[in-house]
Amino acid sequence: DADVTQTPRNRITKTGKRIMLECSQTKGHDRMYWYRQDPGLGLRLIYYSFDVKDINKGEISDGYSVSRQAQAKFSLSLESAIPNQTALYFCATSEVGSHNEQFFGPGTRLTVL
Amino acid sequence: GEDVEQSLFLSVREGDSSVINCTYTDSSSTYLYWYKQEPGAGLQLLTYIFSNMDMKQDQRLTVLLNKKDKHLSLRIADTQTGDSAIYFCAETGANNLFFGTGTRLTVIP
Repeated sequence: DADVTQTPRNRITKTGKRIMLECSQTKGHDRMYWYRQDPGLGLRLIYYSFDVKDINKGEISDGYSVSRQAQAKFSLSLESAIPNQTALYFCATSEVGSHNEQFFGPGTRLTVL
Repeated sequence: GEDVEQSLFLSVREGDSSVINCTYTDSSSTYLYWYKQEPGAGLQLLTYIFSNMDMKQDQRLTVLLNKKDKHLSLRIADTQTGDSAIYFCAETGANNLFFGTGTRLTVIP
């Protein structure tokens, strides 16, 4: 079984809809991250969390919110989706005290029409 | 913020060596990384180098770090078709990693 899972894997939605992307991990890591990947732009950090009560904005947090429901779960919400949020979204985890290696989920491809 | 740059595309013939280059801006980065993304998958750590090293070798992979020029490279010897993927370099920030744009490596049989 995969250590970092994301649901759904693919989603097509319409402008203005609320969308939630879920991430779960079985690695027991405290740190979790949400990134988006766009062609030619690499990965950009949206939000990150270092434990259940910790939420931090990343480089491109506008239009997104997150919830860290438990150590193992970190969800990303788009309150009112817009077409330029069409992208590939990745969740990642890392361990405190490691060389900050991040372990990635398989990604969610989101299309906003 | 930090800026990590890579060329977008590289094509090589099977059996040749591939060299993927990266420049970064934060001279205080503790570690620098190479991640590999295969089609339809997330990123996986390929290798990393501590900032006080200038070279690291791991089987077919050689990482070179030039701290003075803030230049990182990944050499893949005897490139195989299975090496076709997107390769990202990344540097450590205060609380997370900063990724480059990724280099799409295409291996021609």
